Amino acid sequence: SYDLTQPPSVSVSPGQTATITCSGDKLGDKYACWYQQKPGQSPVLVIYQDNKRPSGIPERFSGSNSGNTATLTISGTQAMDEADYYCQAWDSSTGVVFGGGTKLTVL
Amino acid sequence: QVQLQQWGAGLLKPSETLSLTCAVYGGSFSGYYWSWIRQPPGKGLEWIGEINRSGNTNYNPSLKSRVTISVDTSKNQFSLKLTSVTAADTAVYYCARGQVDTAMITAYFDYWGQGTLVTVSS
Repeated sequence: SYDLTQPPSVSVSPGQTATITCSGDKLGDKYACWYQQKPGQSPVLVIYQDNKRPSGIPERFSGSNSGNTATLTISGTQAMDEADYYCQAWDSSTGVVFGGGTKLTVL
Repeated sequence: QVQLQQWGAGLLKPSETLSLTCAVYGGSFSGYYWSWIRQPPGKGLEWIGEINRSGNTNYNPSLKSRVTISVDTSKNQFSLKLTSVTAADTAVYYCARGQVDTAMITAYFDYWGQGTLVTVSS
């Protein structure tokens, strides 16, 4: 099976840059995407195809993917960005795979 | 605007069959893979499986023996059946639209249903 590993939690001060990583074997050879999920809500796509932002997602959200690690970067983090973040990719042995999720705290 | 609306029984007993349906409003039903994804309380997301308009399916190997996903193109709906449920199947179940890339694999999910909490308890 194919696994994606994320840190369980990340903390950031308002206005600073938050970085959330997602690790998997040769992940850079695949497309990665990221979802934001707030309590009681459905996930929302914030980055797709490694670094593309869907319409309506603020420019402070950006992504990269190389080697074994995909990274979600939130510049100028705001209180409203506090949420759980999940990475996702596709693998031939497993199909769609999600990372375990990272709780972003803005304090 | 694409909307996914889902429904189904929210309380099951062990060994029963979970059944959920998702209706797609707006946009095309063709050219996408339509997925079911679940999330146990307080835990992460788990992909269950997907289907396209032609009825081609892919399942998570860990659930494949108990899962059937079907499609009703006349109603733009797709459904999930999960047999022999246990407490471990208690979760919020989501339907979602999968964008397919040039390799014909699901690259990402751009629209999600509202979620249905399914509880398995005797």
